[in-house]
Amino acid sequence: QQQVKQSPQSLIVQKGGISIINCAYENTAFDYFPWYQQFPGKGPALLIAIRPDVSEKKEGRFTISFNKSAKQFSLHIMDSQPGDSATYFCAASTTGSARQLTFGSGTQLTVLP
Amino acid sequence: GAVVSQHPSWVICKSGTSVKIECRSLDFQATTMFWYRQFPKQSLMLMATSNEGSKATYEQGVEKDKFLINHASLTLSTLTVTSAHPEDSSFYICSASLSGVYNEQFFGPGTRLTVL
Repeated sequence: QQQVKQSPQSLIVQKGGISIINCAYENTAFDYFPWYQQFPGKGPALLIAIRPDVSEKKEGRFTISFNKSAKQFSLHIMDSQPGDSATYFCAASTTGSARQLTFGSGTQLTVLP
Repeated sequence: GAVVSQHPSWVICKSGTSVKIECRSLDFQATTMFWYRQFPKQSLMLMATSNEGSKATYEQGVEKDKFLINHASLTLSTLTVTSAHPEDSSFYICSASLSGVYNEQFFGPGTRLTVL
């Protein structure tokens, strides 16, 4: 019930294309859904996050779509660039003092020039 | 803002020795810090949650006597890997939680530990 399932495991996109990564969860108590970007040998960096009271959030080329009834959320990267090549992790957490994140398994994105 | 540092960035040690990794929140006070380990091409695995001035809460399967965590101040947490063995070789990442309604976590750059 604590799992967050992420797909695909790897994704190859042409420069300028749209990258789409999907996540699904079971725990309806989750109320915070961040996405992290990680480059090799580096720590994850917060990319964008959404709360369940909205269905979509956009920041620049990055958009999160959230479907509360389906318990799914996705990351869309518009106009993908080679510099976007990284591993992306979705995560979820619940309100509370601990705020522990449950991570998805990660998606390795490669954007071809 | 919300910068987290880790030291060292990489360390190589001999089997049986202990290694200490520091995690600092540079520009904010972190009431909660988290320690993760990450194996190649895998996701982050939460090891423990620590609150300033309290004992850390370890995840199931993580040996608290092997992975000693100290959270002495609102800006510093340390992870000591005691009697390290080759299987402890991994990428260790800390994060610090910024107090607020949703308590966003900000991650350090990670520490690569190699045990020979």
